[in-house]
Amino acid sequence: AQSVTQLDSHVSVSEGTPVLLRCNYSSSYSPSLFWYVQHPNKGLQLLLKYTSAATLVKGINGFEAEFKKSETSFHLTKPSAHMSDAAEYFCVVRAGEYGNKLVFGAGTILRVKS
Amino acid sequence: DAGVIQSPRHEVTEMGQEVTLRCKPISGHDYLFWYRQTMMRGLELLIYFNNNVPIDDSGMPEDRFSAKMPNASFSTLKIQPSEPRDSAVYFCASSRTSGGSEQFFGPGTRLTVL
Repeated sequence: AQSVTQLDSHVSVSEGTPVLLRCNYSSSYSPSLFWYVQHPNKGLQLLLKYTSAATLVKGINGFEAEFKKSETSFHLTKPSAHMSDAAEYFCVVRAGEYGNKLVFGAGTILRVKS
Repeated sequence: DAGVIQSPRHEVTEMGQEVTLRCKPISGHDYLFWYRQTMMRGLELLIYFNNNVPIDDSGMPEDRFSAKMPNASFSTLKIQPSEPRDSAVYFCASSRTSGGSEQFFGPGTRLTVL
């Protein structure tokens, strides 16, 4: 079965410093992986997705993620954090017989200090 | 497009009452998903529809929960009778197709059962 594990429940960075949110996946076949962001009291927004094309995926707002099969990882990074990046981030894997279901990680809350 | 619309945004009810949550997907999207978000269990898929037909309801917690999609532009999630443990944020999402298609989330309904 497909699953994801987010290694940190909370990450705190200073504004202008790099962001690293870690995610490991488990999948019996080549996975489709996503990162979603949820700002307080808002719905979820897709940041980026990996679907077996380029292993380095660029998303919105300067975020990117690298798919590493050897490490079963899909970590999310950003070179320089902005105050508006403070939110909860979810690593997600596609699952189900037809790939229609999304399985969410537990989430990582990112705090950005001024 | 207005995006996925959910109503109400907030619902407070007493244990034993019937609760109905509503969702209008993005026009042209063939898939509709209902999720529940709680602190304890994170984000869970409850049920999803394809072309108004329920495909997978394995995530529906128990018989008190039911979902319908009478037409392509409207879906309901009903809880009868409601219990305090049903308190959560319920999200509706829609997507154009299956596979790698992005799911677009609504703003959610925050349900509190007293």
